[in-house]
Amino acid sequence: SAVISQKPSRDICQRGTSLTIQCQVDSQVTMMFWYRQQPGQSLTLIATANQGSEATYESGFVIDKFPISRPNLTFSTLTVSNMSPEDSSIYLCSGTGDLASSQYFGPGTRLLVL
Amino acid sequence: GENVEQHPSTLSVQEGDSAVIKCTYSDSASNYFPWYKQELGKGPQLIIDIRSNVGEKKDQRIAVTLNKTAKHFSLHITETQPEDSAVYFCAAGLGGTSYGKLTFGQGTILTVHP
Repeated sequence: SAVISQKPSRDICQRGTSLTIQCQVDSQVTMMFWYRQQPGQSLTLIATANQGSEATYESGFVIDKFPISRPNLTFSTLTVSNMSPEDSSIYLCSGTGDLASSQYFGPGTRLLVL
Repeated sequence: GENVEQHPSTLSVQEGDSAVIKCTYSDSASNYFPWYKQELGKGPQLIIDIRSNVGEKKDQRIAVTLNKTAKHFSLHITETQPEDSAVYFCAAGLGGTSYGKLTFGQGTILTVHP
């Protein structure tokens, strides 16, 4: 199974600022994803992080607000830009290998925007 | 797109009893069905998953059943223990160009009373 770590684990930010979250996988994975979990809610997919190319965003999420990078098969970053209190959530990255692989999640980054 | 419904939203059992959580999905093309356990302050932990070519899978006290015709799948936990208390999420994933993308159910808060 893949072990996924995220940094920072939590942060408190002022509105209007940006935060970059890092995701590191201990082995090469084919696919990496970013999810958002609002307080007390389920997980919603933000985007697929594509290695060496632009991320693929889900409906309701845009690159200007959530720029994503994935320079190699084990690392990705998500930036939450121009933050507002509504961005207060848990941000989670996940990874999976080939078609027969399971999907694992990181511990999440807990973001509070004041 | 895919829609996943999960029931019940809360479940309270006595230690040693069994717990069953049910999910239905809408897209017959979904072929990957993982279950995650999320404890307070942690990321989702994969506890068991099943693919559409299998009807049932078991791992010690945990089992998952899948009915492709009815488009529903269930998590069964036997001999529950207080440490099983957590939020449980089901999810459904597609293959092909949407490979790896997961749609989550709303979650079930399981409480196991000693």
